[in-house]
Amino acid sequence: AQKVTQAQTEISVVEKEDVTLDCVYETRDTTYYLFWYKQPPSGELVFLIRRNSFDEQNEISGRYSWNFQKSTSSFNFTITASQVVDSAVYFCALSDPRDDKIIFGKGTRLHILP
Amino acid sequence: GAGVSQSPSNKVTEKGKDVELRCDPISGHTALYWYRQSLGQGLEFLIYFQGNSAPDKSGLPSDRFSAERTGGSVSTLTIQRTQQEDSAVYLCASSLDGYKLFFGSGTQLSVL
Repeated sequence: AQKVTQAQTEISVVEKEDVTLDCVYETRDTTYYLFWYKQPPSGELVFLIRRNSFDEQNEISGRYSWNFQKSTSSFNFTITASQVVDSAVYFCALSDPRDDKIIFGKGTRLHILP
Repeated sequence: GAGVSQSPSNKVTEKGKDVELRCDPISGHTALYWYRQSLGQGLEFLIYFQGNSAPDKSGLPSDRFSAERTGGSVSTLTIQRTQQEDSAVYLCASSLDGYKLFFGSGTQLSVL
């Protein structure tokens, strides 16, 4: 069965600090996709990134970066120089490309303190 | 509208009553997903549709829950004989290719 674990329930950091959100997944499939979504206080989830299981290159987008390590089944998300607007709940997710079912972790609530 | 629309945004009901939640996906999106978000429980997968068919209903918590989708568009999630533990935010999302989900604002269900 597929499973996504986000062990950090809640994190607080001071603005401008770097912060890493952990995501560990379980799947028997060799082909799968991993995602990160952001849920700001307004409530609507917003897509951040999708990564194919065959592509282990790290990705950077502005202050965001993602570290995919198949050997440890992890897909961690780092925010560099955090800002108050980064405060949100962040969800990691896993899908099986055969049926498009997407399973989410329980989320990590991130507080960026001014 | 351009986004996923859910109605009602809030629903308060009495224990034992039936409720119907509606989701209007983005036009042209073939995949439609229902999730439940309870405090501290993250996003719980309920069901998803490809077109009008639901390949995976394994996430529905009990036989009181059912969902349908007609015309490859609007979907309704029905909860019969509601219980207090059904109180949660019910989120709908649609996708063109399973790559990127577009979420609605959700229906906050409160069962008294």
